[in-house]
Amino acid sequence: SAVISQKPSRDICQRGTSLTIQCQVDSQVTMMFWYRQQPGQSLTLIATANQGSEATYESGFVIDKFPISRPNLTFSTLTVSNMSPEDSSIYLCSVNLQVHTEAFFGQGTRLTVV
Amino acid sequence: EDQVTQSPEALRLQEGESSSLNCSYTVSGLRGLFWYRQDPGKGPEFLFTLYSAGEEKEKERLKATLTKKESFLHITAPKPEDSATYLCAVQAGSGSRLTFGEGTQLTVNP
Repeated sequence: SAVISQKPSRDICQRGTSLTIQCQVDSQVTMMFWYRQQPGQSLTLIATANQGSEATYESGFVIDKFPISRPNLTFSTLTVSNMSPEDSSIYLCSVNLQVHTEAFFGQGTRLTVV
Repeated sequence: EDQVTQSPEALRLQEGESSSLNCSYTVSGLRGLFWYRQDPGKGPEFLFTLYSAGEEKEKERLKATLTKKESFLHITAPKPEDSATYLCAVQAGSGSRLTFGEGTQLTVNP
């Protein structure tokens, strides 16, 4: 298994500002993913952040809004830029230790935009 | 496009009252079906992986089964601590990205 730490665990931000979420894994992993979970809803994949390549974004998500860094095999950041109240969600980092196996999740970052 | 539908949306049981949660899916090239448990304010916790029709997995009071079109999560004699949202997700194609269903919110009353 993998232990994933996310920071911050929660934040309240003003609209128009940006927040960077950090994801630290206790082992080296190639495959890392960022998900969004809007209030009362399930998880939606934002992007895949594999080390050594540019992040791949899902339909409806763009790099200018959600820039991602993946500097090494144990760390990644997701920035939510120019925030609006519609960005209020839980953002989750996840990793796979091997392809086609289970994903492990961090505890999430609860973001409220006011 | 991969689709995952879970039912019911919410389920309320009495302690000891067994039941099943359903996850139906439409994917091209299923690589795996995953069940997760999510408690309020926490990230999803992995429960089971199923890879092929006919496969079954068990853990304590939970048993997951898989057919070519759907998966069931059977809960036998549930306890209040089993209360959580149960998420089903599928993995298809060459990558490891997951497509999640909307979840079933389970409440077990003492």
